[in-house]
Amino acid sequence: DAKTTQPNSMESNEEEPVHLPCNHSTISGTDYIHWYRQLPSQGPEYVIHGLTSNVNNRMASLAIAEDRKSSTLILHRATLRDAAVYYCILSRQAGTALIFGKGTTLSVSS
Amino acid sequence: DTEVTQTPKHLVMGMTNKKSLKCEQHMGHRAMYWYKQKAKKPPELMFVYSYEKLSINESVPSRFSPECPNSSLLNLHLHALQPEDSALYLCASSQGGPGAYEQYFGPGTRLTVT
Repeated sequence: DAKTTQPNSMESNEEEPVHLPCNHSTISGTDYIHWYRQLPSQGPEYVIHGLTSNVNNRMASLAIAEDRKSSTLILHRATLRDAAVYYCILSRQAGTALIFGKGTTLSVSS
Repeated sequence: DTEVTQTPKHLVMGMTNKKSLKCEQHMGHRAMYWYKQKAKKPPELMFVYSYEKLSINESVPSRFSPECPNSSLLNLHLHALQPEDSALYLCASSQGGPGAYEQYFGPGTRLTVT
C-alpha cells in the first residue's frame, strides 16, 4: 500500500484557517486520498476525500497537487472542536481497506 | 440516519471468558469493518466484510472470530483473549468496497482483558 507522510503535530488559533499537509509520493493512479479525524474518546470521523480534483464540503476543502504527490486539508476557520488527530489515507478504488498512518495532532487555542 | 451503533460500550472479561461485540448499521451499506485501536495509536484493520462475505482478514489470531449474520449486523466473537488484546474495538461501514466510499465509524467498544 502507498504510504503517506504527515507532520506529527500542528497548532492553530481559533477562527484562523488551518492547512494540514500530506505527502504521498508513491500514489498510484487509482488511489483515492481520504481524510479522517478522530476526536478524543470517539471513533474516527470522515472529513473529505478526492481523486484528482480539489473538493469542498461543509467541513473542509481538499487541495490536491497537480502531480497528486501531495495534498492539503484546509479547515477554513478552526474552532476548539476541530482539535483532533487528522489522518491522511490512500485507498484503492477496489479491494483494499483504509490503512491509517500516525496522523497529525491538531491543537486549537482560543 | 448515518449512525453505526456498537454494543456494549465497555466490556471487562477474563482470559477464559467468551464474549461478543455487536455492530449495527441501517444505512444500506454493503461493506463492514472491524478495527482495533490501542491507546495513542492509529486504528488497525482486522476484518472486512463485503456483501456479507469475509473479504479481508489481516492475519488476526483465531481467538477473534467475526460473523456477519446479515447486511446490517456485524459481530466479533471473543474467546481466550490475552491482556494485550485490551483495546478500543471500532466498527465501520461503507456504501461499497473501501476506496471510493467514505466509511462511517461507530463509537467503539472499550475492551479490558483481565
